[in-house]
Amino acid sequence: DAGVTQSPTHLIKTRGQQVTLRCSPKSGHDTVSWYQQALGQGPQFIFQYYEEEERQRGNFPDRFSGHQFPNYSSELNVNALLLGDSALYLCASSIATSGRANEQFFGPGTRLTVL
Amino acid sequence: AQKVTQAQTEISVVEKEDVTLDCVYETRDTTYYLFWYKQPPSGELVFLIRRNSFDEQNEISGRYSWNFQKSTSSFNFTITASQVVDSAVYFCALSEGMDSNYQLIWGAGTKLIIKP
Repeated sequence: DAGVTQSPTHLIKTRGQQVTLRCSPKSGHDTVSWYQQALGQGPQFIFQYYEEEERQRGNFPDRFSGHQFPNYSSELNVNALLLGDSALYLCASSIATSGRANEQFFGPGTRLTVL
Repeated sequence: AQKVTQAQTEISVVEKEDVTLDCVYETRDTTYYLFWYKQPPSGELVFLIRRNSFDEQNEISGRYSWNFQKSTSSFNFTITASQVVDSAVYFCALSEGMDSNYQLIWGAGTKLIIKP
């Protein structure tokens, strides 16, 4: 039973560039949430996708966008990268109709460095 | 406003000692959920427990136990007979409202160091 997978593991970009991060949810899960975790801090909720639509969004600018595909996998896109976007980006999956919908399982993360 | 406070930035104990990680939360909702996650050096957050606001029973899972007290808005986590493999950053988190609310509010984490 595969857990949540994310790619790539590490990424280095320069300011102003655009980046796409990918996530495959745990088998049987239909909901994907994305978090940003700066060094030494707790994760910050970016947004959550269910049925290919963004259902909830945290306090992040429009430069952060996402997509969910019919197979439930998801992408996080960040445009016009800033130095402050350097962080670990975590993907979490869950089951919307399980009665434990907010019990989220996390992937290993993508470490993004913006130079 | 909702908030989760983990006042202990770092705790260091010798193996086999018991250790308690504190978590204090703030919320105006009567329905909410509390979580603990473990983040080892590899970075992947590992789910430990979920507790809803209507269930104040303490829970024990092996060497782990959790004490939920609504009167003090606390959800503390105790590791009994700690082991080196318990070394990690531990996060407490809060989700308000129904379980369809996926937005978790996280504490800053407590770094736990278990010395052999």
